[in-house]
Amino acid sequence: QVQLRESGPGLVKPSQTLSLTCSVSDASVSSGGYYWGWVRQHPGKGLEWIGYMYNIDSGSTYYNPSLKSRVTISGDASENQISLKLTSVTAADTAVYYCARSEGYCLGGNCQTWFDAWGQGTLVTVSS
Amino acid sequence: QSVLTQPPSASGTPGQTVSLSCSGSNSNIGSNAVNWYQQLPGTAPRLLIYANNQRPSGVPDRFSGSKSGTSASLAISGLQSEDEANYYCAAWDDSLNASVVFGGGTKVTVL
Repeated sequence: QVQLRESGPGLVKPSQTLSLTCSVSDASVSSGGYYWGWVRQHPGKGLEWIGYMYNIDSGSTYYNPSLKSRVTISGDASENQISLKLTSVTAADTAVYYCARSEGYCLGGNCQTWFDAWGQGTLVTVSS
Repeated sequence: QSVLTQPPSASGTPGQTVSLSCSGSNSNIGSNAVNWYQQLPGTAPRLLIYANNQRPSGVPDRFSGSKSGTSASLAISGLQSEDEANYYCAAWDDSLNASVVFGGGTKVTVL
């Protein structure tokens, strides 16, 4: 049973960069067949897809267009981790951030995927 | 404002069948598969239905999904107290800003 665990600062100042890490157990972020990424949830609100990457070696990433200019998702095969960087944060980026694995496929810019495993989530507050 | 539209709330008594709707458009539900997630209070979401009507192992067959045109539905039969949660639909959207889109969620209350 794959396990995902998010870690990182719980408080980030406005205009700075939010950086989170997701440690993966019982699955490899380097192997094919899965997409590894992030979903966030603003307090008391619904879910928002941030983006995901195919296995680290492929370099294929897919981002939410509304966040694309500020987001980078990358991976570390040696640590079996993926990471999220979100630049120039504001209070609107305050949310619970979930690391999630997706099954399915992306073809020609169309993705038929579903999030089959989730981390427990970590709350990030943007405040001075 | 979510791209997929879900009613904010639904309720039922134990044993009843509750049906949750998810409305979209040709660029999302109309041309792509729909997935459903359950989020119990204070926990991470859990995959309930994928590819319109497929249940992952471990999900009770009380949960079923369907899709017709630009709408999808999740039915919960034999409603139980532990089904009290938020339910989200999701799909890929092929519009100019292609992305995974979610509904705003439906809060199910077991009376």
